[in-house]
Amino acid sequence: GESVGLHLPTLSVQEGDNSIINCAYSNSASDYFIWYKQESGKGPQFIIDIRSNMDKRQGQRVTVLLNKTVKHLSLQIAATQPGDSAVYFCAESDTGNQFYFGTGTSLTVIP
Amino acid sequence: GAGVSQSPSNKVTEKGKDVELRCDPISGHTALYWYRQRLGQGLEFLIYFQGNSAPDKSGLPSDRFSAERTGESVSTLTIQRTQQEDSAVYLCASSLVRGSGYTFGSGTRLTVV
Repeated sequence: GESVGLHLPTLSVQEGDNSIINCAYSNSASDYFIWYKQESGKGPQFIIDIRSNMDKRQGQRVTVLLNKTVKHLSLQIAATQPGDSAVYFCAESDTGNQFYFGTGTSLTVIP
Repeated sequence: GAGVSQSPSNKVTEKGKDVELRCDPISGHTALYWYRQRLGQGLEFLIYFQGNSAPDKSGLPSDRFSAERTGESVSTLTIQRTQQEDSAVYLCASSLVRGSGYTFGSGTRLTVV
């Protein structure tokens, strides 16, 4: 089966700095990727997605980069705010039937 | 509804009892998913429903787990003869079409004592 792993289980950043959360995946057939944010006691919340025909996609303060050559995905958060503190998951899919999630990276924003 | 609704939000049950978890997807969402999240871990796929097609049950961990969905409405996840290792948050998600982003509910926290 697929494996989705995150390079860093925890990340601490100063408020106002940029954050980069990385994710590696192993299934070269995966063609759709999503980043989710999960705050304590809540379900994961969709942040941004990207399909395999793209290598970069930007949202509000967030950018997702996809490098299919090395099967790597990253989430960049600009001007990180205390409200960004959460666990971030990347998820991949090759069928659309299900997504495979990594264990998550816990982001802590230091005021 | 405006979002995915799950009930109950918390459930404590004795080992060996059966439990039933409910998910109300967003109206009009044809795809519905159940995931399990153990403490400090990622999401583990359980089952997927798409319209009236046969569900993808490939993630169900044992025959004690089953799920139903009538059409494009409510789904129930049933765990029979619960075990302590079933303790987890059970998350339901729905999406408009297969392959699009999910909207998750807040989950049901199941504790088996």
